[in-house]
Amino acid sequence: QKEVEQDPGPLSVPEGAIVSLNCTYSNSAFQYFMWYRQYSRKGPELLMYTYSSGNKEDGRFTAQVDKSSKYISLFIRDSQPSDSATYLCAGSVIAGGTSYGKLTFGQGTILTVHP
Amino acid sequence: KAGVTQTPRYLIKTRGQQVTLSCSPISGHRSVSWYQQTPGQGLQFLFEYFSETQRNKGNFPGRFSGRQFSNSRSEMNVSTLELGDSALYLCASSLGLRRGSGNEQFFGPGTRLTVL
Repeated sequence: QKEVEQDPGPLSVPEGAIVSLNCTYSNSAFQYFMWYRQYSRKGPELLMYTYSSGNKEDGRFTAQVDKSSKYISLFIRDSQPSDSATYLCAGSVIAGGTSYGKLTFGQGTILTVHP
Repeated sequence: KAGVTQTPRYLIKTRGQQVTLSCSPISGHRSVSWYQQTPGQGLQFLFEYFSETQRNKGNFPGRFSGRQFSNSRSEMNVSTLELGDSALYLCASSLGLRRGSGNEQFFGPGTRLTVL
């Protein structure tokens, strides 16, 4: 079983829709959670970075972390065609020992927003 | 502020050869992590360097190695290339703090390696 599970999709939505992307994880030591967006043939771009449980909002993006159920979500409001990309969730523990610099990623969800 | 840069962007090698990839982190970042991305396995952690020292290593064979220089630039080397080494190799830089905000990782565009 992978430490971070993510439905690869693909997910197709009309422009303006609310998009919900989800991941589950199994490592209870994860304290930091990230969402990255990756366009084709590009490197991942950091969208959201959260610590522990709770919500974080940045413009049209909202990240939620529920540590009790080991569930992380990213919501995209008023989705645009330019949001079409692969979305990757990741977790990490507090750095130390064998955890320095290591992010554990889900497989990524391919999102297409059509006009 | 300039982002993370990686060179070269594309490489074609044959089996048995070796390859060296380069990564220049964001100015002020002392930590560089390397990842391999393939369609089948996704993004997998290779190793992390901080102040010229390898602090962490993923589950890859010894053919994969790296180093970091005093200016925080990092190189990754793969010896005796195999077909399965074809992948996008990404580096990410961060402040490398033990905990807290400011530990986000910022990725470069990657080097696409094709092994024939």
